Amino acid sequence: AQSVSQHNHHVILSEAASLELGCNYSYGGTVNLFWYVQYPGQHLQLLLKYFSGDPLVKGIKGFEAEFIKSKFSFNLRKPSVQWSDTAEYFCAVSASSASKIIFGSGTRLSIRP
Amino acid sequence: EAGVAQSPRYKIIEKRQSVAFWCNPISGHATLYWYQQILGQGPKLLIQFQNNGVVDDSQLPKDRFSAERLKGVDSTLKIQPAKLEDSAVYLCASSRRGTGSGVVGDTQYFGPGTRLTVL
Repeated sequence: AQSVSQHNHHVILSEAASLELGCNYSYGGTVNLFWYVQYPGQHLQLLLKYFSGDPLVKGIKGFEAEFIKSKFSFNLRKPSVQWSDTAEYFCAVSASSASKIIFGSGTRLSIRP
Repeated sequence: EAGVAQSPRYKIIEKRQSVAFWCNPISGHATLYWYQQILGQGPKLLIQFQNNGVVDDSQLPKDRFSAERLKGVDSTLKIQPAKLEDSAVYLCASSRRGTGSGVVGDTQYFGPGTRLTVL
C-alpha cells in the first residue's frame, strides 16, 4: 500500500530564509507526486505536481520540488520565504494508473516577520 | 471557471444525530472525491465517484456513512448516527477524468470544506 511521510510537523523560519520540506513515499510502481498548500482560512490548493519528465518541477509562488526516484523523495524547496508563505503544506502521491491520492500528515510552516 | 462548492461551511451537532453535506464539483469534471481531514492529519479519502458510479469506497465506514452522486454531478455525504470521532473537516474534490482514463496524471481541485463538530 502507498504511504507518505513528512518528516517535519512544524517548521519555523525567519523571512528570507531558505526552505526545504521533506517528503518520502513508499510505492513500488510509477507515481504521480503533488504538493498542496493550505493557507490560513483557505482551501487546499495545488502548489506543484510531477507526472513525468524533468524531475525538477517548478510551481507557483517560487516553489520547486525535486523527484529523486532512488530515494523515493519529493522534497519541496524555496530559496527565500516570505511571511505570506505561512501555511500548512501537504505532500501527496498517487499511482500513475489510478487517481486515488494518499496525503502525508502535513507540515505547518510559520514565518517570523 | 468556478471552483468546487460545498455547503454548509460549518455544522455543530450532538452525537447520534444525523448530518448531510453537499458538494457541487467543477463543471465537466467526471470524478468526485470525499475526504475526511481530522485535525493534525492529512486528508483521507472516503469515497471516489466516476460519473455516478462508485470507484473506491474502501475507507468509508458504511455502517454510518453513505454517499451518492445522482446524475453524475452534485453529491451528498451523510453521517447517521454521528459519533464524537467524526469531528473533522469534510472535503470535496473533483478532477476532470480519473481512474482508467488513460491520461497521465489528473489534478484534483478542492472545495473549502465543511467543518463538523460533534458534541
